[in-house]
Amino acid sequence: DQQVKQNSPSLSVQEGRISILNCDYTNSMFDYFLWYKKYPAEGPTFLISISSIKDKNEDGRFTVFLNKSAKHLSLHIVPSQPGDSAVYFCAASANGNKLVFGAGTILRVKS
Amino acid sequence: GAGVSQTPSNKVTEKGKYVELRCDPISGHTALYWYRQSLGQGPEFLIYFQGTGAADDSGLPNDRFFAVRPEGSVSTLKIQRTERGDSAVYLCASSSRPGTDYNEQFFGPGTRLTVL
Repeated sequence: DQQVKQNSPSLSVQEGRISILNCDYTNSMFDYFLWYKKYPAEGPTFLISISSIKDKNEDGRFTVFLNKSAKHLSLHIVPSQPGDSAVYFCAASANGNKLVFGAGTILRVKS
Repeated sequence: GAGVSQTPSNKVTEKGKYVELRCDPISGHTALYWYRQSLGQGPEFLIYFQGTGAADDSGLPNDRFFAVRPEGSVSTLKIQRTERGDSAVYLCASSSRPGTDYNEQFFGPGTRLTVL
């Protein structure tokens, strides 16, 4: 049973527009959520995180929104740039230790 | 270097052989994690060390997999009698704030293991 789901395998966006990546989870014990970005042949790179006590966290062009009642979070990238093209993973933690990852969404930003 | 390093970057072995994968965490990070990523999937947790001890090994798939961190820094993931299904990218991560609400884990580049 997948506890963290990223239902969109891929997303294509025009440069300068907003990219919205979505993630759903089932485990109500999750209290910390992270987004990672991954380029081919590299390890995942931490992007942004949010604690369950918040509903929004912003860092430059990246904003993460958390809707606990819907068990849903999203990552907004504004404006999108070609260098943002990568695989984005949503991850969740229940105890501040092991992370449970989604399957990833491939983002392509077209110039 | 400042980041997590893993060696080798690629390992090709034959079914039934023994392999060791090494991880050097970020200096000063007390927590170390191993994950495995199969094609088309996200990383899957294997084991977590706090210092020298394995605090959670619930993700190890079976007793062919074992990991150590004898001095609380470098860790080695050991796989005995490898099977073709063990082929994956093995990722290591480290953290300075385990068990907190802000436990960002920093990943290495991974070791791609191929079992023929």
